[in-house]
Amino acid sequence: GAVVSQHPSRVICKSGTSVKIECRSLDFQATTMFWYRQFPKQSLMLMATSNEGSKATYEQGVEKDKFLINHASLTLSTLTVTSAHPEDSSFYICSAKHNLWNTIYFGEGSWLTVV
Amino acid sequence: GENVEQHPSTLSVQEGDSAVIKCTYSDSASNYFPWYKQELGKGPQLIIDIRSNVGEKKDQRIAVTLNKTAKHFSLHITETQPEDSAVYFCAASIRQAGTALIFGKGTTLSVSS
Repeated sequence: GAVVSQHPSRVICKSGTSVKIECRSLDFQATTMFWYRQFPKQSLMLMATSNEGSKATYEQGVEKDKFLINHASLTLSTLTVTSAHPEDSSFYICSAKHNLWNTIYFGEGSWLTVV
Repeated sequence: GENVEQHPSTLSVQEGDSAVIKCTYSDSASNYFPWYKQELGKGPQLIIDIRSNVGEKKDQRIAVTLNKTAKHFSLHITETQPEDSAVYFCAASIRQAGTALIFGKGTTLSVSS
């Protein structure tokens, strides 16, 4: 089956620092990847759509300068939370659309805690 | 844009009973409707999906039905087991266009033995 790996699974960082989360499609190519944010006991909220080789498309209300997305290859997208603040603490989940099967697969998520 | 409503938000059943979760969507262009199961602290796992050219799909104890006219789709779990306890999310998207999945708010299913 298709596997999407996220790294790190958990990260703690200090306020004001930046942290990078990686999303990799391990056994398939994904031109399109998506980043979601999930608060406790809530649904997944789409942050942005990432397309390989082009700029990400951000959802309304998501600060593109704060949440930097880079999709430099067909198997890797990264989300960098810049100048992190405690309110950025959340569960970040990526998904990747299989280029051949057109099916979307999710990563295991990354817990970010900003202290 | 697409909006997905999901009901109920919580559902408690006895082991062996059936559970039904319902969703409605707003964008008539949506043609792909997956269901995900999410356990605490983990990413969502696809359990079943249905495309708009099909009215029903079944996989063992799980089935999904779609009413395109009413823009409703439902998840049916039969013979529930305690390990079915989790949060279930429905979602909708326009498959060929590669649009993102838009999720419902989730249903917390509790199966007691």
